[in-house]
Amino acid sequence: KAGVTQTPRYLIKTRGQQVTLSCSPISGHRSVSWYQQTPGQGLQFLFEYFSETQRNKGNFPGRFSGRQFSNSRSEMNVSTLELGDSALYLCARRDSPGELFFGEGSRLTVL
Amino acid sequence: GQNIDQPTEMTATEGAIVQINCTYQTSGFNGLFWYQQHAGEAPTFLSYNVLDGLEEKGRFSSFLSRSKGYSYLLLKELQMKDSASYLCAATGGSYIPTFGRGTSLIVHP
Repeated sequence: KAGVTQTPRYLIKTRGQQVTLSCSPISGHRSVSWYQQTPGQGLQFLFEYFSETQRNKGNFPGRFSGRQFSNSRSEMNVSTLELGDSALYLCARRDSPGELFFGEGSRLTVL
Repeated sequence: GQNIDQPTEMTATEGAIVQINCTYQTSGFNGLFWYQQHAGEAPTFLSYNVLDGLEEKGRFSSFLSRSKGYSYLLLKELQMKDSASYLCAATGGSYIPTFGRGTSLIVHP
């Protein structure tokens, strides 16, 4: 199993609202990465956190933000939602360079 | 920057062999990964190539040519359950994988 728990699994929001997604890697894993997956763009990297510090960031607007807590749980927030933000948001832990173990994802629909 | 190209869709027959190609351009290349993603599920790791050559793992094999910026995933003895999207990903200096858009493989009886 991936050892990554994401909540909520599904959610529906309207344009202009904001959303917060949660990700918890199994105990002992300090690295968490977030990806957005859409049919048109595929899997795109959002950001990576390690020990509460953002280590890398993808090319997304400032409306997308994240943080990691001392227990390794991570949250990502999207403000002022747009229709194009509808996507599957995947969180992953990284055991070794490039090898990701993904959670089940949070499917966001923006109406 | 990084660029990953792979075919959008492929079809094959149960029991056959299929090869999914991937070309990449990435600065500071470190490694090439393949992931499998069934519809409605999260991607799962299949293989990792760092050096040139073929890595075999059961019915699946992955090949890498660093000089050509080229990789392929070879699936033998295809089964219906192999119908899925196959994602090629390359890592650069940051070790953050950049993914291709995926190849949707449809296996027919």
